[in-house]
Amino acid sequence: DIQMTQSPSTLSASVGDRLTITCRASQSINNWLAWYQQKPGKAPKLLIYKASSLESGVPSRFSGSGSGTEFTLTISSLQPDDFATYYCQHFNSHWTFGQGTKVDIK
Amino acid sequence: QVQLVESGGGVVQPGKSLRLSCAAFGFTFSPSAIHWVRQAPGKGLEWVAFISHDGNNKDYADSVKGRFTLSRDNYKNTLSLQMNSLRAEDTAVYYCAREGHAFDIWGRGTMVTVSS
Repeated sequence: DIQMTQSPSTLSASVGDRLTITCRASQSINNWLAWYQQKPGKAPKLLIYKASSLESGVPSRFSGSGSGTEFTLTISSLQPDDFATYYCQHFNSHWTFGQGTKVDIK
Repeated sequence: QVQLVESGGGVVQPGKSLRLSCAAFGFTFSPSAIHWVRQAPGKGLEWVAFISHDGNNKDYADSVKGRFTLSRDNYKNTLSLQMNSLRAEDTAVYYCAREGHAFDIWGRGTMVTVSS
């Protein structure tokens, strides 16, 4: 089975910071990678699909890149609403999630 | 309004059964594959099960294979997750999610607690 590993597990940041979260697959998954945001007590929300495609309605400060085994989610300027946990997901007949990255206030 | 609504969660003893439902509103249900994802308290997301748009293809995580069964009714825009032989480690919030651009529509979830 393909394993998805995110880093870091926790990230402390301030409003306005540029953030990068990394997700690594244990073998190549081409661009079959999605990113989600989850806030406490809420369902996850799709941000990025196919590694770099922005889901409709998601602010442009979110971007994704990568292919093969290494992927990144970047938030260009962190906003108060962005403090949350972020998950990557292999998406193509296997749907494994990474363990999550919690973004909290520095 | 486009949404999925889960129901059927509750407290159940180990070894017992529970049936969760997921109802779709505001979008065309029959062409949509649907997944279940769960989240144990304080933990990350775990994919649980998949059912194709027509119900002919299903897949399950190893952790639930042989115990959980998915079915769907495209006339009623609903699907069900039958959970048998429940274990303490099945305790989680269970979400249903539509497969579109990845999992693009999620329900709010329903809590399942397995405890004696």
